[in-house]
Amino acid sequence: DSGVTQTPKHLITATGQRVTLRCSPRSGDLSVYWYQQSLDQGLQFLIQYYNGEERAKGNILERFSAQQFPDLHSELNLSSLELGDSALYFCASSPWGAGGNTGELFFGEGSRLTVL
Amino acid sequence: GQNIDQPTEMTATEGAIVQINCTYQTSGFNGLFWYQQHAGEAPTFLSYNVLDGLEEKGRFSSFLSRSKGYSYLLLKELQMKDSASYLCAVRDIRRTTGFQKLVFGTGTRLLVSP
Repeated sequence: DSGVTQTPKHLITATGQRVTLRCSPRSGDLSVYWYQQSLDQGLQFLIQYYNGEERAKGNILERFSAQQFPDLHSELNLSSLELGDSALYFCASSPWGAGGNTGELFFGEGSRLTVL
Repeated sequence: GQNIDQPTEMTATEGAIVQINCTYQTSGFNGLFWYQQHAGEAPTFLSYNVLDGLEEKGRFSSFLSRSKGYSYLLLKELQMKDSASYLCAVRDIRRTTGFQKLVFGTGTRLLVSP
């Protein structure tokens, strides 16, 4: 158990709909990362938050948005869903910025989104 | 930007040794990671290199050459449970802000057969 919690674990929805994925980082971790992993694809970096502020952006579509709340949990919002959005969405956390460490990311179990 | 290359798939036999290579190009290199990911599961951390040389951790070792933009993960005494994807990831630091992100390669799927 990495200490990172993601909900829901599975989600099935239709094209055009909107969903929200939730992530609670490890206790004390200030950074939250979102990654998308499509079938047989690598982890695609979407976005990073640090202590409530957006810090880095990857290949995140305009239909997607995220935020990190004062209690450090994060939500990833996916709207106008398309079939190609079906993927595993991972959240990871790290304490970066809170002191020296190897920079290891701790991953949640992922949210599997299926768009029909 | 970043570019990370690793073989798509490799096969090996139980008990053997396998080396998974990774080459990278990045503007703000600040460390290289290897993660293991079993199908449908979360990636788990294996190793970290920031200086040139070999880091050994049990059956797994990782090597880094920063001048060549090259790393490898060496797995010894392969076991069936080692069948998984192995992800090479580069930590890229933005010099202006000091903030870092971890960029992953597409992963190498290793199949260990009896």
